[in-house]
Amino acid sequence: RKEVEQDPGPFNVPEGATVAFNCTYSNSASQSFFWYRQDCRKEPKLLMSVYSSGNEDGRFTAQLNRASQYISLLIRDSKLSDSATYLCVVTSHNFNKFYFGSGTKLNVKP
Amino acid sequence: DAGVIQSPRHEVTEMGQEVTLRCKPISGHDYLFWYRQTMMRGLELLIYFNNNVPIDDSGMPEDRFSAKMPNASFSTLKIQPSEPRDSAVYFCASSFGTSGFTNQYFGPGTRLTVT
Repeated sequence: RKEVEQDPGPFNVPEGATVAFNCTYSNSASQSFFWYRQDCRKEPKLLMSVYSSGNEDGRFTAQLNRASQYISLLIRDSKLSDSATYLCVVTSHNFNKFYFGSGTKLNVKP
Repeated sequence: DAGVIQSPRHEVTEMGQEVTLRCKPISGHDYLFWYRQTMMRGLELLIYFNNNVPIDDSGMPEDRFSAKMPNASFSTLKIQPSEPRDSAVYFCASSFGTSGFTNQYFGPGTRLTVT
């Protein structure tokens, strides 16, 4: 079983829509969680950290569900510029290992 | 700051040739990571360094791959001999601090094609 799994998508949504995707992790002792964004043919960039209490940054909300071992990313009022691949990252309990998911592709259409 | 710098940006080589990829991390960063990304396998961590010392090279696929970090401002990833299955985008990333895995700054990548 992979350490981190994501639905590859693509998620095709119209502008203004709300979209959410999840990332499941296999190790219940995982410690820290993050979302990265990767534009087509570009490098990944940190989007946001995921805190136990959940966190929000503008139109983006990240949440952690430890009981079910997944993190989620919610995007409200989608913009064309949100089209990208979203990668989740999970670190081990002792911070000596981390794992990238394979990414979920989002296409926001006009 | 110029960000993480990688060279070359594109490399096309023939099977069996040696390939050397170069990376200059952001000044002051003490972690450096090498990744490989393909459609089939996604983003894979190959090796990472902390203060120029290799910490985890368990992702290096085989002996044909080697990485060095002779000083804080330079690292290389070498493939010898190269094979067509090595074709991928290779990213270098750097970060700073006790949570070195968190905010990694990636370079633009080197797109390697082995024919």
